[in-house]
Amino acid sequence: NAGVTQTPKFRVLKTGQSMTLLCAQDMNHEYMYWYRQDPGMGLRLIHYSVGEGTTAKGEVPDGYNVSRLKKQNFLLGLESAAPSQTSVYFCASSRLAGAINEQFFGPGTRLTVL
Amino acid sequence: QQPVQSPQAVILREGEDAVINCSSSKALYSVHWYRQKHGEAPVFLMILLKGGEQKGHEKISASFNEKKQQSSLYLTASQLSYSGTYFCGTPENAGNMLTFGGGTRLMVKP
Repeated sequence: NAGVTQTPKFRVLKTGQSMTLLCAQDMNHEYMYWYRQDPGMGLRLIHYSVGEGTTAKGEVPDGYNVSRLKKQNFLLGLESAAPSQTSVYFCASSRLAGAINEQFFGPGTRLTVL
Repeated sequence: QQPVQSPQAVILREGEDAVINCSSSKALYSVHWYRQKHGEAPVFLMILLKGGEQKGHEKISASFNEKKQQSSLYLTASQLSYSGTYFCGTPENAGNMLTFGGGTRLMVKP
């Protein structure tokens, strides 16, 4: 099993450009999450999904959109990138509710917005 | 609200012990602990639930004091492989997502 994979691993954008980050998991997990991690800081939840076709806002959702058309995939979109979105983005999944279940993290995507 | 971790950083020699604390201003349903090595993804260590149940697969112990709304992670006889940043995560109830603390950076030296 590959676990949780993320594409791409690195990306450099110019201000105003758009992009989509792809997360895929092969563990048949219901819950999926997108976090951002800034230098020296913890993980902040951007958006999450409790099942195929559902999404919800997390702590820092502004400037991002998500979609979960298939159970195994969770996409994070930036419509108009800003320098403040420079960060490392982690995707995670859990079998059931994150409050009582282990989360499995992907390797991360390092995004720089110039 | 983000849980508060202490200390922010600690340096140990191999074989020494350390305690990392995680405190919340709100009632806790559970406390999660993760470790992240530099440049890598966070990796699950354990979950502590109300009522004393623990779920984990690492040889690291932890406590959960519901009344004090805090948890402590105990690293005994530390090894070089224990180096990394430790994060606690807390939900408000079973259905809530996790809010992570700012992390505690642990460095174990030979």
